[in-house]
Amino acid sequence: KAGVTQTPRYLIKTRGQQVTLSCSPISGHRSVSWYQQTPGQGLQFLFEYFSETQRNKGNFPGRFSGRQFSNSRSEMNVSTLELGDSALYLCASSLAGRGQGSSYEQYFGPGTRLTVT
Amino acid sequence: AQSVTQLDSQVPVFEEAPVELRCNYSSSVSVYLFWYVQYPNQGLQLLLKYLSGSTLVKGINGFEAEFNKSQTSFHLRKPSVHISDTAEYFCAVSLYNFNKFYFGSGTKLNVKP
Repeated sequence: KAGVTQTPRYLIKTRGQQVTLSCSPISGHRSVSWYQQTPGQGLQFLFEYFSETQRNKGNFPGRFSGRQFSNSRSEMNVSTLELGDSALYLCASSLAGRGQGSSYEQYFGPGTRLTVT
Repeated sequence: AQSVTQLDSQVPVFEEAPVELRCNYSSSVSVYLFWYVQYPNQGLQLLLKYLSGSTLVKGINGFEAEFNKSQTSFHLRKPSVHISDTAEYFCAVSLYNFNKFYFGSGTKLNVKP
């Protein structure tokens, strides 16, 4: 099976702009989670989507949003970029379904390195 | 609230020596436990996981970890490390029936020749 893919791998944007990142999960995985990784804050959970619905959310401002399509592909959008948004954005997919009484490991993509200047 | 603490931010070790990376967690509910490894400029790769059953779990690349419920720990061990094990290692927990992961701050393992 192909792994989790993220596009683009690298991105340079200017303060105030907006950006959209894309994630394609492993085939059959319906859950997609997004994380922000920075040297200072480590890995921080942004949100999780399952069956096109946001199921879990971290503590990020409303400038960070996402969506999931019917084929489970997900996009993350950041509006009004700030210098502090420079980070590696990781996407992870898993099998985890609602009410199954269990949790499955997450499989991570290579990430999108966003630099805001 | 859940939290994960990785006690060592950096661990230097010589090649072929044993290593232990420590992880403690805090949770009021049952959790699942994971160790991930991240090589430079790459995403995270699952090393091993504890869901239930035997408290000693074996993973890829010769790593193993032991779940200790009383001490709320999940330390990662390898009896003999290689240069190629140089990477950053993350401990993570997820809640039972709730697909939200909490990661530790990471431990950078530096294997020296």
